[in-house]
Parts: sequence; C-alpha cells; structure tokens
Amino acid sequence: DQQVKQNSPSLSVQEGRISILNCDYTNSMFDYFLWYKKYPAEGPTFLISISSIKDKNEDGRFTVFLNKSAKHLSLHIVPSQPGDSAVYFCAARTSGSARQLTFGSGTQLTVLP
Amino acid sequence: DAGITQSPRHKVTETGTPVTLRCHQTENHRYMYWYRQDPGHGLRLIHYSYGVKDTDKGEVSDGYSVSRSKTEDFLLTLESATSSQTSVYFCAISKAGDSYNEQFFGPGTRLTVL
Repeated sequence: DQQVKQNSPSLSVQEGRISILNCDYTNSMFDYFLWYKKYPAEGPTFLISISSIKDKNEDGRFTVFLNKSAKHLSLHIVPSQPGDSAVYFCAARTSGSARQLTFGSGTQLTVLP
Repeated sequence: DAGITQSPRHKVTETGTPVTLRCHQTENHRYMYWYRQDPGHGLRLIHYSYGVKDTDKGEVSDGYSVSRSKTEDFLLTLESATSSQTSVYFCAISKAGDSYNEQFFGPGTRLTVL
C-alpha cells in the first residue's frame, strides 16, 4: 500500500507557464514533506520542503503548498524553464529516529520551449 | 555537496553471484541509507544506519544485507544476486540535529543481474 502517491506519471508545460505537480499521502504521522528533482544518470537533489505545521513555503520560483485536511501537497514552479525538465519526487518523513523518507513514484516534467 | 561517492558506478553480474556496493562519505554524518529506484516505484528504502554497527531494515530488505564498520562507509551486499535486483541503487546521508530534515544522495550505481 503506497503511503505517498504521485498519480501523474508525466506533465508537459510550455516555457514561462506554471507547472503544478501533485502528491497525496495517507499516513497522518508524516511530519515533514520534501520535493526532490532528478536528472537522468544523477542522484536526486533536494529542492524544497515544508513542515506539517505550515501550509506554504516559497523559495524563488518554487512554492510548496500543504493541505493537511486533504492529505495533499503540491509543488508550483513559475515561470517554468526548459532546465526544469526532470523527474520530481515527493517524499514524506516519518517522525522519530533515523528520519526515514517515503517516496512517491515520481512525475516526469517536460517544459517545452 | 555532501561528499558522497558510490562505487562501482556500473556493474553487470550473473545470477547467484555475490555483489557488494560501497557508499563513502567525507563529512562524518551519522545517518546513512540505501535505496533502490525502479520504474513506477520511485525510491524504496532497503536498509539504513544510525551509527557505526547500528543498522535496521527498510521497506525492501529481503535479499540484502548491510554493514557499517566505519562512520564514512556503508556497504550493501547482495549475497546471491537475482534478476529482480537489477536496479539503480542510491546511497543517501542525513545530518543529525533537529534543524536538518533533508537527505542528500550519491550519484547512484546501476546494477544489472543477468
């Protein structure tokens, strides 16, 4: 049973427009949520995160929104750039020792020039 | 850059042979993790370590063992490789302390089991 779900395997967006990537979770014990970006043949790189006590966190072109009642988070990228084309993983942290992360299956974002 | 290296970066092996993957970090972080990445599954945790000689199982630990005899090295061993273990393997580290929540990943090892 997947505790973190990314239901859209792929998304295409025009350069300059907004990209919205979505993620749903089922475990109420997750206390921290993260987004990672992954290029082919490289390791995932940390992008942005949000604590479960917040509903929004912004860093430049990237904003993450958290809706705890719906158990839903989203990543907004605006404006989208061709260099943003990558696989984006949503992850959730279990509180307690060792900070284990549970990942979604990823969404391939393609930004068209 | 968290100073994480993985070796080898690519390996092709045959079913039934033992394989060991190495993760090395240069910054003495306490927590280390091994994941595998497969299409449709994202990254799944295999094993993790919270200190020297302290390890525990993750979501998909069957067929894998780990060892951490030094802070900087975390080894993943497939005792008898199977084709289902063909995957890309990532090592990650996490810094200790309440203000640190992210994990930082190495470049990955692509393993093919024929």
